[in-house]
Amino acid sequence: GAVVSQHPSRVICKSGTSVKIECRSLDFQATTMFWYRQFPKQSLMLMATSNEGSKATYEQGVEKDKFLINHASLTLSTLTVTSAHPEDSSFYICSARGAGDAYEQYFGPGTRLTVT
Amino acid sequence: QQQVKQSPQSLIVQKGGIPIINCAYENTAFDYFPWYQQFPGKGPALLIAIRPDVSEKKEGRFTISFNKSAKQFSLHIMDSQPGDSATYFCAATSNTGKLIFGQGTTLQVKP
Repeated sequence: GAVVSQHPSRVICKSGTSVKIECRSLDFQATTMFWYRQFPKQSLMLMATSNEGSKATYEQGVEKDKFLINHASLTLSTLTVTSAHPEDSSFYICSARGAGDAYEQYFGPGTRLTVT
Repeated sequence: QQQVKQSPQSLIVQKGGIPIINCAYENTAFDYFPWYQQFPGKGPALLIAIRPDVSEKKEGRFTISFNKSAKQFSLHIMDSQPGDSATYFCAATSNTGKLIFGQGTTLQVKP
């Protein structure tokens, strides 16, 4: 199956700083990437959808100025959490979808963000 | 309308048992229903998925049953093993690709 990687797998940052998370599709071209957030023992909540070369579309309630998403190439999308606060601590997961399939998404291994 | 309701929240079975997890949806525009398995600290992995034009799909020990009129679908795990202990999520989507996840079911398979 298709492989999606995320970097870093874990990050700890101080309150007020920014942190960037990378999502890469390793063996296919991802025309669309999705970013999810998952709090402990909860389900995945879609934050935003990004198409290569276009601005991301954010779900209701997600601050686009706080969670900056860039999808500059067909294999890389980045999520930058700006001015992070402890309440932003969560598990961030990306997924990627290729051009040939409207439905199947391949998930990355996730990034654990802890804001102190 | 966008919700997917999943039950039970947790489930304990003995090795060899057949855990069943149920999901229900409202939005009739959904036309793809995947199930994911997630281990602690890992991303979800696709187990099996079904389209609404079939009532059942099997892949290995995993079976999806789909009832279009009732807007319900379920996952059955045959001959469950301790290694199947994980959290399972159902989801639904249309061709937008936006996955709407159920609340998750934590499965424990006892040896």
